[in-house]
Amino acid sequence: GESVGLHLPTLSVQEGDNSIINCAYSNSASDYFIWYKQESGKGPQFIIDIRSNMDKRQGQRVTVLLNKTVKHLSLQIAATQPGDSAVYFCAENRVYGGKLIFGQGTELSVKP
Amino acid sequence: DTGVSQNPRHKITKRGQNVTFRCDPISEHNRLYWYRQTLGQGPEFLTYFQNEAQLEKSRLLSDRFSAERPKGSFSTLEIQRTEQGDSAMYLCASSLALAGVSLEQFFGPGTRLTVL
Repeated sequence: GESVGLHLPTLSVQEGDNSIINCAYSNSASDYFIWYKQESGKGPQFIIDIRSNMDKRQGQRVTVLLNKTVKHLSLQIAATQPGDSAVYFCAENRVYGGKLIFGQGTELSVKP
Repeated sequence: DTGVSQNPRHKITKRGQNVTFRCDPISEHNRLYWYRQTLGQGPEFLTYFQNEAQLEKSRLLSDRFSAERPKGSFSTLEIQRTEQGDSAMYLCASSLALAGVSLEQFFGPGTRLTVL
């Protein structure tokens, strides 16, 4: 069936290092992909999205890469800070769809 | 704070009781979504509305679950005859959809349900 999943459940990095969080998806018909950050006790917070006709998009300290050949999505966080500690989810959506399909999540822990 | 509010934030109930949750979306948003999230998992889609019309329901939404958005603004999610397996975080999100295209979904803080 359709699924969006993550390779690693946990990631620990040193403050100031770059972080890379990966995601694999299986539905080639997806129109766009979104990264969400979820802190403890809060709802998911939008970070960045990318359309299926793009392979890279940059935001503030974050970059999302999309490789449609291998159905792989990654989130790169530059100069990781303690405030980046959270669970990160990738999600899939369709332009004319409604529901988001989320993966399991990667917990990012930033060591000071 | 995204502007989406949910009440209550926590609910503890006994098995067999009915519970109702409320979501107030961002005022100009015409779409409202409900998701369920269990520990360590990503949110799972339950249902969504465009204005007052319920456009899609997941097969996860059993007959014991019902959602409404009577005036196209706030929404309620009711669970009848709760079971321990219903224990989860219930998340609401809203978005603006233009010509069928939905923009970013903003999530509320969730209602954590514990069924004893």
